[in-house]
Amino acid sequence: QVQLQESGPGLVKPSETLSLNCTISGGSISRYDWIWIRQSAEKGLEWIGRFDKSGVPNINPSLRSRVSVSMDTSKNEFSLKLTYVTAADTAIYYCARDPGSHGHDWYFDVWGRGTLVTVSS
Amino acid sequence: QSALTQPASVSGSPGQSITISCTGTSSNIGFYNLVSWYQQHPGKAPKLMIYEATKWPSGVSNRFSGSKSGNTASLTISGLQAEDEAHYYCSSYAGGGTMLFGGGTKVTVL
Repeated sequence: QVQLQESGPGLVKPSETLSLNCTISGGSISRYDWIWIRQSAEKGLEWIGRFDKSGVPNINPSLRSRVSVSMDTSKNEFSLKLTYVTAADTAIYYCARDPGSHGHDWYFDVWGRGTLVTVSS
Repeated sequence: QSALTQPASVSGSPGQSITISCTGTSSNIGFYNLVSWYQQHPGKAPKLMIYEATKWPSGVSNRFSGSKSGNTASLTISGLQAEDEAHYYCSSYAGGGTMLFGGGTKVTVL
């Protein structure tokens, strides 16, 4: 059974870069698309972006200037970087899987437990 | 783009059926069949309940059913049970390689 685990610092200072990893266990990273989603009280659930099985990133236009995603198949891990963070980026960050059985399926059948990231000095 | 519109709360008694609506536009729900529903209990990650508007993932009870008409998708929970008390979120592909979520609906079992 595939499991996802987010990891990274829980506290980031304003204007710095938020870096998170998602480790996949129990399955191959190469067969699916991998997604970052965040959840805050202010904005609810927000799709951040994906790294698809073809190696192509796709980022929410509202975050495109600050977000990059990548994948390390040797570690079965994919990553998120969000630059120039502000308090508005405080949220629970989830990684998830898009089965990608028909290109991009745009539904997420496996989720990590989430990691809370707080932006504060 | 604005989030999809869901009622803030819906309630029902055990055994009853309830329906949660999710209203979008002709650019998202009305154009694509890529609507999903997620259940989220407090402190937990969302769980996929319905995908492609009407399909069940493996392991999800058929008490949950999805439908779509025009720009509105709906999730119906039949035979409401105490364990169904949670937040429910809809999502839809919105074209241009992006997607939207609804604001969430709190389901209360009376």
